[in-house]
Amino acid sequence: DQQVKQNSPSLSVQEGRISILNCDYTNSMFDYFLWYKKYPAEGPTFLISISSIKDKNEDGRFTVFLNKSAKHLSLHIVPSQPGDSAVYFCAAPRGSQGNLIFGKGTKLSVKP
Amino acid sequence: DSGVTQTPKHLITATGQRVTLRCSPRSGDLSVYWYQQSLDQGLQFLIQYYNGEERAKGNILERFSAQQFPDLHSELNLSSLELGDSALYFCASSVVGTRKETQYFGPGTRLLVL
Repeated sequence: DQQVKQNSPSLSVQEGRISILNCDYTNSMFDYFLWYKKYPAEGPTFLISISSIKDKNEDGRFTVFLNKSAKHLSLHIVPSQPGDSAVYFCAAPRGSQGNLIFGKGTKLSVKP
Repeated sequence: DSGVTQTPKHLITATGQRVTLRCSPRSGDLSVYWYQQSLDQGLQFLIQYYNGEERAKGNILERFSAQQFPDLHSELNLSSLELGDSALYFCASSVVGTRKETQYFGPGTRLLVL
């Protein structure tokens, strides 16, 4: 049972345009979400998080939106840069200890 | 550089063998997590330690075990290896291991079982 789903395995965007990466979840008890970015041959790197008491969190070019009623969150990257090309994972902590449930990731390619 | 180190970077071994993966958390972090990334399953939580004690267990096979030592480094032991154990194994650390803390990941160990 996949509780965090990223239904698009890949996304290609032109440099300078907006990248929108989507994530759906099934467990209504989830109240905190994170996005991680992963380059080949490296570990995941934390990007941005959002608590369920908010519907938006912004950090520079990265904004995460949360729609609790739809159990959906999205990561917007504006403007997209070639260095943003990576796999992006959506995750949510399970239980009190914080072990993360990850989506399967979306591979973003930003074309110059 | 996350500050989390993992050794070895690559490991090639045969079915039936046993291997040990090592992780050193960021300075000051007391909690260590182990995750497995396989092609079909994505990133899956295996086990968490906090200050030497096991705190949470995920989809960890009976053939796998882990521990965290007094110096806070952790080892993941994989035994009776099967072809399907080939995967990337990541270690992550956080300060006290609570749910809204950021976990910092190491570069991973790539295990290939032949």
